[in-house]
Amino acid sequence: DQQVKQNSPSLSVQEGRISILNCDYTNSMFDYFLWYKKYPAEGPTFLISISSIKDKNEDGRFTVFLNKSAKHLSLHIVPSQPGDSAVYFCAASEDAGKSTFGDGTTLTVKP
Amino acid sequence: EAGVVQSPRYKIIEKKQPVAFWCNPISGHNTLYWYRQNLGQGPELLIRYENEEAVDDSQLPKDRFSAERLKGVDSTLKIQPAELGDSAVYLCASSLGLAGYTGELFFGEGSRLTVL
Repeated sequence: DQQVKQNSPSLSVQEGRISILNCDYTNSMFDYFLWYKKYPAEGPTFLISISSIKDKNEDGRFTVFLNKSAKHLSLHIVPSQPGDSAVYFCAASEDAGKSTFGDGTTLTVKP
Repeated sequence: EAGVVQSPRYKIIEKKQPVAFWCNPISGHNTLYWYRQNLGQGPELLIRYENEEAVDDSQLPKDRFSAERLKGVDSTLKIQPAELGDSAVYLCASSLGLAGYTGELFFGEGSRLTVL
């Protein structure tokens, strides 16, 4: 049973528009939710996170929203840039360090 | 500040051969993780260390996989013998651990294994 799901394998948006990446989870014990970005032949790099006690966290062009009742989180990128093209992984953490990852969404931002 | 260092970056072996991966975490990070990432999937935890102690190895296939973290710094992940299904990217990550827990992991570039 996959505890973290990213139902959209890919997303394509135009430069300057908003990118919205979605993630669903099933485990109520998760206390941190994170987004990682991955370029080809590199390891994932941390992008932004949110604690389970909050519903929004913003960092520059990136905002993460958490809806605990729906067990859903989303990453908004505004405005999207071609350099944002990458695979985005949603992850959820519990038990002081045990992180579970979704299968990723490949974002393509077209110039 | 140096990041997580992994070697080798790429390894091609015949099935039934042994293989080993090495990881040097970020200085001061007490927690070290080994993840496996299959093509088109997210990373899956194999083992987590708090200093020298393996605190979560429930997903490690212990019949053929072994890991160690001597002196609580560097770590080695070994597969013996390798099977075709072991072809994947093996990612090492580290974090501050309980003292600085935010869930954030710092990943190395990974070791891509191909088993022929």
